[in-house]
Amino acid sequence: EIVLTQSPGTLSLSPGERATLSCRASQSVTSSYLAWYQQKPGQAPRLLIYGASSRATGIPDRFSGSGSGTDFTLTIRRLEPEDFAVYYCQQYGSSGGVTFGPGTKVDIK
Amino acid sequence: QLQLQESGPGLVKPSETLSLTCAVSGASISSTDYYWGWIRQPPGKGLEWIGSIYYGGSTYYNPSLKSRVTISVDTSKNQFSLKLSSVTAADTAVYYCAISSGWGAFDIWGQGTMLTVSS
Repeated sequence: EIVLTQSPGTLSLSPGERATLSCRASQSVTSSYLAWYQQKPGQAPRLLIYGASSRATGIPDRFSGSGSGTDFTLTIRRLEPEDFAVYYCQQYGSSGGVTFGPGTKVDIK
Repeated sequence: QLQLQESGPGLVKPSETLSLTCAVSGASISSTDYYWGWIRQPPGKGLEWIGSIYYGGSTYYNPSLKSRVTISVDTSKNQFSLKLSSVTAADTAVYYCAISSGWGAFDIWGQGTMLTVSS
């Protein structure tokens, strides 16, 4: 089973700043089957990025994903007030298994 | 517009079997374009994948839950279901159903249903 580690655990930033979130896998992720989600309190997660770097439908272009193999990054170019939330990475393995990272909380500094 | 709606009992006693259903609207549960999954989130904690079911009925389960989980599809009702046996307090969580259209990512999620295990 692939284990995902996210860092930092909490990121304290101000609106307008750039956020860089890291997701590291214990083994190489198959064909970049790596996704990122945003979750706000009391809401279901929302898909932001799939295939490591493709934005999901309706996601603003200030969100971007990059990486391959075992190291992946989610970047939020300029934080808007609505971007303060918890972000999870998720991988899909060749055997059909799925794992989520523990999450990074982006809060207001 | 594709939508998912979970339903369940809200409260289950320890050692019993929990049963949840996810009603699908805007797409056919028999479609080869999607697969369907269950994910849960204990209060204040992160997301945990429970399992997924594919067209044709193939299932994949979280190894840590595999012995207790069954996911199935009811094509007549256009819904899919989760059964988790021998529940304990550790199974208390918000349970989400979700759909994937590819790349292993869950595109659309239900609103979630809270399930509490307590006597």
